[in-house]
Amino acid sequence: ILNVEQSPQSLHVQEGDSTNFTCSFPSSNFYALHWYRWETAKSPEALFVMTLNGDEKKKGRISATLNTKEGYSYLYIKGSQPEDSATYLCAFDRNDYKLSFGAGTTVTVRA
Amino acid sequence: DADVTQTPRNRITKTGKRIMLECSQTKGHDRMYWYRQDPGLGLRLIYYSFDVKDINKGEISDGYSVSRQAQAKFSLSLESAIPNQTALYFCATSMDTQETQYFGPGTRLLVL
Repeated sequence: ILNVEQSPQSLHVQEGDSTNFTCSFPSSNFYALHWYRWETAKSPEALFVMTLNGDEKKKGRISATLNTKEGYSYLYIKGSQPEDSATYLCAFDRNDYKLSFGAGTTVTVRA
Repeated sequence: DADVTQTPRNRITKTGKRIMLECSQTKGHDRMYWYRQDPGLGLRLIYYSFDVKDINKGEISDGYSVSRQAQAKFSLSLESAIPNQTALYFCATSMDTQETQYFGPGTRLLVL
């Protein structure tokens, strides 16, 4: 069982503010790092798949960076909106055909 | 229509009962997965399958079994349900490694 940690566990942000949170994973045997967005009562949906050290991906106001040497990824939300409220999951992929998920960071955007 | 469907969406059962959760997909993916989600924990892999003839245990397979009836169908069974199997269960599919996994809507199971 791989140790994938996400912090903080939850956060509250005012509408319009920006925020970021962390996913930490083993730095060895890295293959890919996945980010998912999971809204209450819905299915987790893929945001990014990141494979290269230094990768930066962007989707609208959400972006992510990757540091495979030190084993962490940051996810950023710029100008948070209420629709950004969700749990954000990261998953470590070491190319053994399985993903190891973190427990998630739950973001609540207050209007 | 949803690409990955799960039935039932909610289920209440009693300790000792046998229960089956079903997953169907129209994405044409070979790889299918069953996860459970418990509050405060990440998604944990129960079983996974790379094709109809290939079934593999995940990290928490004890107390569960699976059947891959066709490329599109992957069922999870609890042979004798116990209360600590109360959880949210997700099915997922993917085309290949390093590819995105596509999740079903989840089945919320309560074992009394």
